[in-house]
Amino acid sequence: ETGVTQSPTHLIKTRGQQVTLRCSSQSGHNTVSWYQQALGQGPQFIFQYYREEENGRGNFPPRFSGLQFPNYSSELNVNALELDDSALYLCASSSRGGKNTEAFFGQGTRLTVV
Amino acid sequence: AQSVTQLDSHVSVSEGTPVLLRCNYSSSYSPSLFWYVQHPNKGLQLLLKYTSAATLVKGINGFEAEFKKSETSFHLTKPSAHMSDAAEYFCVVSEWGSSASKIIFGSGTRLSIRP
Repeated sequence: ETGVTQSPTHLIKTRGQQVTLRCSSQSGHNTVSWYQQALGQGPQFIFQYYREEENGRGNFPPRFSGLQFPNYSSELNVNALELDDSALYLCASSSRGGKNTEAFFGQGTRLTVV
Repeated sequence: AQSVTQLDSHVSVSEGTPVLLRCNYSSSYSPSLFWYVQHPNKGLQLLLKYTSAATLVKGINGFEAEFKKSETSFHLTKPSAHMSDAAEYFCVVSEWGSSASKIIFGSGTRLSIRP
């Protein structure tokens, strides 16, 4: 167990809807990163939050947005869902500030858009 | 800019034989390198990490990796494969020292173990 929890574990949404995924980071970690893993592919970096501010973003459109709260937990919001958004969404927490940038991953949320 | 290339999308070995999963990277800064394993329907688990200490890194479950700066490689090895090693393996680079640290995954190598 990594101490990183994600909810929900599975979710089915309809195209055009909005979705919010949640992540509780490991105790002592101040950085949360979100990844999208499509079937058969490696995780793709969406964005990272550090101390409640977005701190780096991958090649994802603005309809992917996020929040980080004072307790360092985080949300990923996706608006206007498309069929291609169907994927496993992974949250990783880490402690920024040194070489030991090991990230601990949650089990993921599997989103299916129909 | 960072990048990670896993040279084999699929590797198949017999149980008891050596495993070699290849990874090459590029990074503008002093990188940290990791190998993660993902079993079906499970999250990612860290196998081992390199953070500029010893170039030969030992991880869990008998896995090792050697950082070779001249070859920009970080190949994963195990002397003797076990059936439970069948999984997807990801080589990961983390760029340290940039203003926006982030982690880049390779495309993954699926390891199959033949009885």
